[in-house]
Amino acid sequence: DAKTTQPTSMDCAEGRAANLPCNHSTISGNEYVYWYRQIHSQGPQYIIHGLKNNETNEMASLIITEDRKSSTLILPHATLRDTAVYYCIVRVHPQLSSGSARQLTFGSGTQLTVLP
Amino acid sequence: DAGITQSPRYKITETGRQVTLMCHQTWSHSYMFWYRQDLGHGLRLIYYSAAADITDKGEVPDGYVVSRSKTENFPLTLESATRSQTSVYFCASSESLITEAKNIQYFGAGTRLSVL
Repeated sequence: DAKTTQPTSMDCAEGRAANLPCNHSTISGNEYVYWYRQIHSQGPQYIIHGLKNNETNEMASLIITEDRKSSTLILPHATLRDTAVYYCIVRVHPQLSSGSARQLTFGSGTQLTVLP
Repeated sequence: DAGITQSPRYKITETGRQVTLMCHQTWSHSYMFWYRQDLGHGLRLIYYSAAADITDKGEVPDGYVVSRSKTENFPLTLESATRSQTSVYFCASSESLITEAKNIQYFGAGTRLSVL
């Protein structure tokens, strides 16, 4: 799976949009971009994923650049409950992998702090 | 909708003792996973299971044993606990690996294990 680079930490004012960048310049054509987050003392939580088109769900939007080398997770109206570590994960479709390659590989992520 | 539950949430044990961490999911998901999370290492896959009676090693399986006699349960056993197994353990499940919409992993709240 491709390596990802994320800023170590970011702050965002409550009610404003939080834009979390992720660089994945070595991504290959069959690799998806996933975002998970982990609130302190909780298990990781799935947010959104995409291949090349922008995606939106009830939690967030995912913007993937045309060359797919980077992406941005957007939380449109951040709340204090969105304070968490956000992980950008790039992985090949599990059907194309085997064994431990099917695991999710979490890097260091971005600590997002939403400020009141 | 209970989802995925882990028990116990906290466990203190002594070196050499056998410990079993429980994981139960109510979705009838085919795949289940065990991860450990340590500072500086992120989440690492210990074992995973594709279905009842089918298990396979992940990245760090040594010292652990798993079983899956029923689809909904995936216990993790430390046969002789060591201090290096002090960690936070997360169980996860996913419906399938066939389509992207179904291979999202859903995590439990975790078990914090201390081996003294």
